[in-house]
Amino acid sequence: GAGVSQSPSNKVTEKGKDVELRCDPISGHTALYWYRQSLGQGLEFLIYFQGNSAPDKSGLPSDRFSAERTGGSVSTLTIQRTQQEDSAVYLCASSLGVTVWDTQYFGPGTRLTVL
Amino acid sequence: GQQLNQSPQSMFIQEGEDVSMNCTSSSIFNTWLWYKQDPGEGPVLLIALYKAGELTSNGRLTAQFGITRKDSFLNISASIPSDVGIYFCAGLGRGSTLGRLYFGRGTQLTVWP
Repeated sequence: GAGVSQSPSNKVTEKGKDVELRCDPISGHTALYWYRQSLGQGLEFLIYFQGNSAPDKSGLPSDRFSAERTGGSVSTLTIQRTQQEDSAVYLCASSLGVTVWDTQYFGPGTRLTVL
Repeated sequence: GQQLNQSPQSMFIQEGEDVSMNCTSSSIFNTWLWYKQDPGEGPVLLIALYKAGELTSNGRLTAQFGITRKDSFLNISASIPSDVGIYFCAGLGRGSTLGRLYFGRGTQLTVWP
């Protein structure tokens, strides 16, 4: 079956503009996660959804970042008034559930460049 | 937040050599994971460890969960060119942070033919 897909694959924007990043999880996966990977760094957790609710959004770096999930499926990560330090690869993952046994499957990421 | 220290940062080896990398944490994790990331792709799970002291193999890969639950290592035997990539360790959060993965900074592996 299809894996996690993300769009766009690349996004170049100007400082101060808003951007929306989309994630389509694996069908049937109830949990969805957003991570950020800056150059030469490991992945940094941002937020996760169980169904449409976000039990843990403590990783969002500022109030310019927000995310939503609708219909227990697609999720959108929105960054308002982008800054140059927001440049990174934004990765989405999904898992069947949220237990220690549930593997997180990652999408290919969206590379965001803020000029 | 919880910090994972992964070493070495990079490795350059010849095809056929064995590789070892490790990860330490200032906090206890009950689940340790090792991922590999190829260029332009998301990380892919290689091995999951659920019990302190556990030694688990997946083909040429072997990983161990440290007794203190604060460390783990990954070994790759008889490396081949397709082993090239970035290897990440990760610890799975507990309690209120269950679901959250805490990642190391990665080990960039280069294999020369």
